[in-house]
Amino acid sequence: EVQLVQSGAEVKKPGESLKISCKGSGYSFTTYGIGWVRQMPGKGLEWMGIIYPGDSDTRYSPSFQGQVTISSDKSINTAYLQWSSLKASDTAVYYCARRGDTFWSLDPWGQGTLVTVSS
Amino acid sequence: QSVLTQPPSVSGAPGQRVTISCTGSSSNIGTGYDVHWYQQLPGTAPKLLIYGNINRPSGVPDRFSGSKSGTSASLAITGLQAEDEADYYCQSYDSSLSVVFGGGTKLTVL
Repeated sequence: EVQLVQSGAEVKKPGESLKISCKGSGYSFTTYGIGWVRQMPGKGLEWMGIIYPGDSDTRYSPSFQGQVTISSDKSINTAYLQWSSLKASDTAVYYCARRGDTFWSLDPWGQGTLVTVSS
Repeated sequence: QSVLTQPPSVSGAPGQRVTISCTGSSSNIGTGYDVHWYQQLPGTAPKLLIYGNINRPSGVPDRFSGSKSGTSASLAITGLQAEDEADYYCQSYDSSLSVVFGGGTKLTVL
C-alpha cells in the first residue's frame, strides 16, 4: 500500500525554527515528486511547492518562495518542510502528497501535521 | 482569492444530483491542463476523487463523475448520500508553473 506518514503536531513560539517530515512507503520514493499543501484554519488548500527526491529538483509556489525550504533524504524515503523563523500566520495544517506520474494530480496524501505558532 | 473559482456551497437532498463548477482561465484550464477533484471529509486529509478530468481512482463510486469544457470543469454527484457531505476542491496547473486550487465548495446533504 502506498502511504505517506507525516510527523506529529508541533507547538512553537514566533521566531523559532521547525522542520516537519513526510515518510513515503510502498513505492519507489525517487520516482515521484512530493508536494506540500497548506490549509490555514477554516480555509482552503494552498500549493507550496514540490520536490523530486530522485534529483532533489525543487519548485516553489511564488507565494512561498523564500518563506520555507523543501528538502528530502532519499536514503530514508523522507521529505521535509522547514521554517527558519516561524510567524503566528504560519499556524496551519500542512499536508504532503505524492504527485501522479502522468497527471498533475496528488495521491495519496499524508494525514497532515498541525503547526501552531503562538507566544 | 483562488485562481480557480468554485461556488462556496451547494446542497441537495439524499438521492438527488448536484454539480460543482470550477472556473479557470486561458492560463490554466483553458490552456489544456487537466482538472482533478478532491474530497475532504471533516477533520481528514483530502482524498483524490477524479483525476485527468474524468477518471476515477479505484474505489471511488461511479456516482462521482467529472467533465471539462473550455476554461471550466464540473464535478457531478448522483444519488446523493449523507456520507458525501464534505468539502470539494478542484485543482489544475497554471502556465505560471504552479499547481492551483479552487477555493473549495462545502456540500451539505439536506
